[in-house]
Amino acid sequence: DSGVTQTPKHLITATGQRVTLRCSPRSGDLSVYWYQQSLDQGLQFLIQYYNGEERAKGNILERFSAQQFPDLHSELNLSSLELGDSALYFCASSTRTSGGLNEQFFGPGTRLTVL
Amino acid sequence: AQKITQTQPGMFVQEKEAVTLDCTYDTSDPSYGLFWYKQPSSGEMIFLIYQGSYDQQNATEGRYSLNFQKARKSANLVISASQLGDSAMYFCAMREGFSNNDMRFGAGTRLTVKP
Repeated sequence: DSGVTQTPKHLITATGQRVTLRCSPRSGDLSVYWYQQSLDQGLQFLIQYYNGEERAKGNILERFSAQQFPDLHSELNLSSLELGDSALYFCASSTRTSGGLNEQFFGPGTRLTVL
Repeated sequence: AQKITQTQPGMFVQEKEAVTLDCTYDTSDPSYGLFWYKQPSSGEMIFLIYQGSYDQQNATEGRYSLNFQKARKSANLVISASQLGDSAMYFCAMREGFSNNDMRFGAGTRLTVKP
């Protein structure tokens, strides 16, 4: 158990709909990262938040947005869903420390299926 | 440009033997970290081992070791004494700079351990 929690574990919805994925980082971790893992694109970084502020953006679509709340949990919002958005969405957290390790601890993922 | 390359989509190894999973990377940043993660069929991402670009010695963690060849920009994972439970996807990842940046992942190698 990494200490990172994600809900829901599975989500099935229809095209055009909007969903929200939730992530709670490990206690004390200030950074939250969102990744999308699909069969054709592999594991792709979407977005990072650090202590409530957006820190870095990757291959995140305009239909997707995220935020990190004062209690450090984060939500990833996916709207106007398409079949191609079906994927495993991971949240990861890490602690900002000096030095290089800063490994990211991954949550169990949310499997999104768009029908 | 592809930052992390894993050229072996699939690998087989006999139980109790050693196996090497290849990873090459591309960066112009002198400061970077290299990570290996394991993803079993259950889906979670498990951190295995880390190598910093300034580390003088190859990283080791139990049965895992990282064969770091900086000049060749390779960071191969060596698993000794393979066990059936090692069957999984293995991802190589890199973070550029030593701040809390996102990681870029390779396409992964599926390792199957044969009894």
